[in-house]
Amino acid sequence: DIVMTQSPDSLAVSLGERATITCKSSLTLLYSSDNKNYLAWYQQKPGQPPKLLISWASTRESGVPDRFSGSGSGTDFTLTISSLQAEDVALYYCQQYYLTPWTFGLGTKVEIK
Amino acid sequence: EVQLLESGGGLVQPGGALRLSCAASGFAFSTYAMTWVRQAPGRGLEWVSSISTGGDNTYYADSVKGRFTISRDNFKNTLYLQMNSLRAEDTAVYYCAKYGNSAGNGYFDYWGQGTLVSVSS
Repeated sequence: DIVMTQSPDSLAVSLGERATITCKSSLTLLYSSDNKNYLAWYQQKPGQPPKLLISWASTRESGVPDRFSGSGSGTDFTLTISSLQAEDVALYYCQQYYLTPWTFGLGTKVEIK
Repeated sequence: EVQLLESGGGLVQPGGALRLSCAASGFAFSTYAMTWVRQAPGRGLEWVSSISTGGDNTYYADSVKGRFTISRDNFKNTLYLQMNSLRAEDTAVYYCAKYGNSAGNGYFDYWGQGTLVSVSS
């Protein structure tokens, strides 16, 4: 199985500051035939289901604020919140969909400092 | 508006069975693969099972293979998960989710609110 390792486990950021979450996969997620990275990012608030933020490592879903961005390729990926807002307090998960079983990182908790 | 509504969760004894349902609306259900993902209390997300558009291809996590069966009824726009031989470690909120594109790439763009399954004596 592909292991997804997120860091840090949690981080506290001041309002308006940048938050950066990293995700490393145990196998490349870059599919050579289409040059796409098979990685998604989700946000989960307490008591709610996960919400898809980003697919293909960097494609933001419709309606997701542009302060959220994804980057990276191969085995190393980053989710950046450029200017943290109060409503961004949540757990964030990365997920690979390169190979079944689809696997998720353990999550990163983002809080306000 | 896409809606996914799970039902069928509850308290069951170890070794027991439950059948979860997920009623879908607001999209062309028969043209999207579907999946079940679970989340144990206070834990992360675990993919459980997926099914192709027509239901002829199914996929399972090793942790549930041989005990759980995924199926779908494209006339009723409903996804199912039959869970047999339940164990304490199956205790979780079970989410149904829609695949993000009709090509079947395994990211999930819509999720239901989840249904809680508790396995305990």
